[in-house]
Amino acid sequence: AQSVTQLDSQVPVFEEAPVELRCNYSSSVSVYLFWYVQYPNQGLQLLLKYLSGSTLVESINGFEAEFNKSQTSFHLRKPSVHISDTAEYFCAVSDYGGSQGNLIFGKGTKLSVKP
Amino acid sequence: DGGITQSPKYLFRKEGQNVTLSCEQNLNHDAMYWYRQDPGQGLRLIYYSQIVNDFQKGDIAEGYSVSREKKESFPLTVTSAQKNPTAFYLCAIGKAGMHNEQFFGPGTRLTVL
Repeated sequence: AQSVTQLDSQVPVFEEAPVELRCNYSSSVSVYLFWYVQYPNQGLQLLLKYLSGSTLVESINGFEAEFNKSQTSFHLRKPSVHISDTAEYFCAVSDYGGSQGNLIFGKGTKLSVKP
Repeated sequence: DGGITQSPKYLFRKEGQNVTLSCEQNLNHDAMYWYRQDPGQGLRLIYYSQIVNDFQKGDIAEGYSVSREKKESFPLTVTSAQKNPTAFYLCAIGKAGMHNEQFFGPGTRLTVL
């Protein structure tokens, strides 16, 4: 069965510092991988996704994530964070050809950016 | 205005009452999902539907019911059998061939008093 582990429940960081949010998954088949962001009392927004091809994927607001098949990881990074990046981030996995079309979510990492 | 709508944003009910949460979409996506979110628990799947008039239980379906009479609508009823209904409820949609990518509504926060 698939599972997703987000290793840190909370990550405090100062503004303009780099950050890495860690995500490991468990799956016996090839996967699609997603990062979602959630601001307080809102729904989830897709931040970026890995489907195939280049293992490094980027978002429009400076985040990037690298798919590492050997380590079954999909860590999210940003070289310099802003106050507005404060939110909760969820990693999710889905398998190729999953007949149910379901995503498995990690428990989330709360990123808190301090001035 | 298009997309996914959930109403109301905040909902209060007395213990023992059934309550129905609305989820509507106009993006013509086939699949619809209901998740429950509690602090520190991530998202847990309640029910999902791939086509009209068909739906399946997710991981925590007990105490909930759904219907899918129209492609655009997937209402969730929280019944009195749900022991701890206070939570943030999220509806999502997905499309065949989209690698299981899902798009989320704004959510409904249900508080049972």
